[in-house]
Amino acid sequence: DIQMTQSPSSVSASVGDRVTITCRASQGISSWLAWYQQKPGKVPKLLIYAASSLQSGVPSRFSGSGSGTDFTLTITSLQPEDFATYYCQQANSFPLTFGGGTKVEIK
Amino acid sequence: EVQLVQSGAEVKKPGDSLKISCKASGYSFTSYWIGWVRQMPGKGLEWMGIIYPGDSNTRYSPSFQGQVTISADKSISTTYLQWSSLKASDTAMYYCARRLCSGGSCYVSFDSWGQGTLVTVSS
Repeated sequence: DIQMTQSPSSVSASVGDRVTITCRASQGISSWLAWYQQKPGKVPKLLIYAASSLQSGVPSRFSGSGSGTDFTLTITSLQPEDFATYYCQQANSFPLTFGGGTKVEIK
Repeated sequence: EVQLVQSGAEVKKPGDSLKISCKASGYSFTSYWIGWVRQMPGKGLEWMGIIYPGDSNTRYSPSFQGQVTISADKSISTTYLQWSSLKASDTAMYYCARRLCSGGSCYVSFDSWGQGTLVTVSS
């Protein structure tokens, strides 16, 4: 199985900050990576697929980059509605696997 | 509008059987894979398995193989997740989600999600 390791596990930030979350795969996955946002008590929401493609309707302050084993989700100018937990997911091979999550909290 | 509507919350005892459902609408049900994802209380997301309703081709995570069964009924656009003997450790929220297809390509990521079914197993 491909292990997905996210860092940090949590980050405190202020509205307007730039936030970067990293996801590392235990083996190369090309660009087969997705990012999701989940707010407490809510359903996960797809933000980014294929490492850098923005899902329809997702604000452009979200962006993804990377390939191979190292990937990044960046939120430029954090908004109040962005405080949530973010998960990466490798889509390269079965079994699909998620990272452990990164909680973005209010500073 | 794509919709995945899951069955309601369940409270069961250890050893009980259970089948929860996910009814799809707003798209061609037989053309998109549907996955199931577990989220235990306060924990992260775990992929359980995926089914292609067109031919019921199914793949399971090794962690869930033999523990659950995923199935689909094309006639009513519904996928199912079932257990034959529940354990307390099956207590979790379970989500169904549709595989993403965009711009003529498909990706094994999930763009539409059901609202979740909370399963509580307690004696």
